[in-house]
Amino acid sequence: QLQLQESGPGLVKPSETLSLTCTVSGGSISSDGFYWDWIRQPPGKGLEWIGSIYHRGVTYYNPSIESRVSISVDTSKNQFSLRLTSVTAADTAVYYCALTPAAPRGRFDYWGQGTLVAVSS
Amino acid sequence: DIQMTQSPSILSASVGDRVTITCRASQSINSWLAWYQQKPGKAPKLLISKASSLESGVPSRFSGSGSGTEFTLTISSLQPDDFASYHCQQYRINPWAFGQGTRVEIK
Repeated sequence: QLQLQESGPGLVKPSETLSLTCTVSGGSISSDGFYWDWIRQPPGKGLEWIGSIYHRGVTYYNPSIESRVSISVDTSKNQFSLRLTSVTAADTAVYYCALTPAAPRGRFDYWGQGTLVAVSS
Repeated sequence: DIQMTQSPSILSASVGDRVTITCRASQSINSWLAWYQQKPGKAPKLLISKASSLESGVPSRFSGSGSGTEFTLTISSLQPDDFASYHCQQYRINPWAFGQGTRVEIK
């Protein structure tokens, strides 16, 4: 059974960098046919897709935050990571990692449990 | 970018009711639409893909329909476990976009 688990600090100061890691178990992140995504949900609001990565390093980002975001993959650890720079209170959200098939891409079949990140001084 | 709009935002219903949630896309997405169920404090769960294809293990009281820009999620007979939030999402064109969600609450 494929499982995804987010980890990282629950509190980040304004203007600093948010860093989260998603650990994949029950399957290989190097498998062809899957993309690995980050999605967030501000408290009481809807879901926002952040970006995705393929194990060969190909990335796609939401243009709304593309200038501040980067996603990387570490196949040796079966993990992928999110970095979001220059955070503000508007970046406070539950951050989810998820899996999407390569074809058709963009449908989220599996999700991590989510981790709440608050931006506050 | 494609915008997704759900209605209503909140739906009050009773056990046994038939409920329908609508999702509209700002441009045609053919049938590239997914529906998710989310319970408080939990991650969303994929219910329906390709507008009408029920995922394995999802009860048959859930159904999806539509194509182009108008879609619906129907629960034929609401059960206690169905009180949750529901989100639509288009995956025709990047960036993938979600509706704002519909909360189904007990009347």
